[in-house]
Amino acid sequence: GDSVTQMEGPVTLSEEAFLTINCTYTATGYPSLFWYVQYPGEGLQLLLKATKADDKGSNKGFEATYRKETTSFHLEKGSVQVSDSAVYFCALGSASKIIFGSGTRLSIRP
Amino acid sequence: EAGVVQSPRYKIIEKKQPVAFWCNPISGHNTLYWYRQNLGQGPELLIRYENEEAVDDSQLPKDRFSAERLKGVDSTLKIQPAELGDSAVYLCASSSGAGQRTDTQYFGPGTRLTVL
Repeated sequence: GDSVTQMEGPVTLSEEAFLTINCTYTATGYPSLFWYVQYPGEGLQLLLKATKADDKGSNKGFEATYRKETTSFHLEKGSVQVSDSAVYFCALGSASKIIFGSGTRLSIRP
Repeated sequence: EAGVVQSPRYKIIEKKQPVAFWCNPISGHNTLYWYRQNLGQGPELLIRYENEEAVDDSQLPKDRFSAERLKGVDSTLKIQPAELGDSAVYLCASSSGAGQRTDTQYFGPGTRLTVL
């Protein structure tokens, strides 16, 4: 069945460091791919998404490109801030459901 | 625009007791989802509604869990009786699409259930 595998955390970086959180997927058909973020004490919210191969989703300085050839959707940011500390979930949308990865906790040191 | 509202935010109960969670989706969103999120894991779908109809309840443990969405707006998820393993965060989400693969789901803050 469809599944999502993402980089295990926690990930700790210094402010202004470059961020990559890896995400790979297994799916039949043509899924959409999402990154959701959960800030402390808040609900999940969509960070970015891509609906077809080679699409790039971007938001708040974060980017991810839908790579069908490597079945990947890695999340990147050039310079992280303390306010980016959160749990990040990679997700796959297929047919009528979203399947989430297990989440990666990111902590940014000032 | 108001987001997805859930209540209560926290609930602590003894095992074998009943518990209910309430969700009010974003106005105009026809599709409503209930998820369970165990500690350190991603959310897992329990049930999906299109208006009043439960169109996917394959992951809902029907011996103890039930859900309803009367009038196609608010929804209630119930557990009776609760077991220790039901401790988790229960999330409600809604979307304006009909469960399409491209739909963005909007999540509520969740209800954290602790079963003692």
